[in-house]
Amino acid sequence: GENVEQHPSTLSVQEGDSAVIKCTYSDSASNYFPWYKQELGKRPQLIIDIRSNVGEKKDQRIAVTLNKTAKHFSLHITETQPEDSAVYFCAATYGNNRLAFGKGNQVVVIP
Amino acid sequence: EAQVTQNPRYLITVTGKKLTVTCSQNMNHEYMSWYRQDPGLGLRQIYYSMNVEVTDKGDVPEGYKVSRKEKRNFPLILESPSPNQTSLYFCASSSRPSQPQHFGDGTRLSIL
Repeated sequence: GENVEQHPSTLSVQEGDSAVIKCTYSDSASNYFPWYKQELGKRPQLIIDIRSNVGEKKDQRIAVTLNKTAKHFSLHITETQPEDSAVYFCAATYGNNRLAFGKGNQVVVIP
Repeated sequence: EAQVTQNPRYLITVTGKKLTVTCSQNMNHEYMSWYRQDPGLGLRQIYYSMNVEVTDKGDVPEGYKVSRKEKRNFPLILESPSPNQTSLYFCASSSRPSQPQHFGDGTRLSIL
C-alpha cells in the first residue's frame, strides 16, 4: 500500500513567519495530493489540493508544490496567523480507489 | 446544506456490547469511508465503499463491519467492541477518492 510520511511532526513558528510542511509518498502512480487542516476538536477540512499534472498551486497565503520525481509535496503557509495553529494532514491516492493519510503535523503559531 | 452526519457524537460502552455508528450524507456521493484517529497515528482507513453494495477493507478493518444498502448511508458496526477500539472515528464522503473528502464531525467511542 501507499506509505505517506510527514515532516516535521511539530512545527513552531513566530506569527508572520512562513511555515513549510513536507510530505513524501511511495507510490509513483499517485495522482492526487490533498492537504487537510484539523483544528482542535473539529473535523478535518480540505485547505488545498494538487494533481499530478501540476507543479504548484496557490490560494492566498497557502501554496502546495509537487515534485513527482522525488515523490514529495509540500504545504507552504506565508504570513502565519494564530488561526493557522492546527494539525495538518497530507494525503495521496493510490490504487484505483484508496486515499492514504500521513500522521499529521502540529503547527503552533506563536503570537 | 451539504453535510455528513454521524451519530452518536460520543459513546461510552462496555466490552462485547454490539454498537453501530451511523453515517449519512446528502451530497449524492458514491465514495464513502470510515477512519479512526489515534494520537500519533493520524487517520487510518477502516473500510470504504465505492457505491451501493460495494465495500472493501481499508488498512485496519479487524473488528469492524460496514454495509452500504443505500447511497446516502454507511453505518459502521462493532459486533463485539474491545478496549483497543477506543478512538475518534470519522466518516467521510466524496464523488471519488481523488476529490475532496467531506468529513463528519466525528464520533468519540470509549470501550471499557
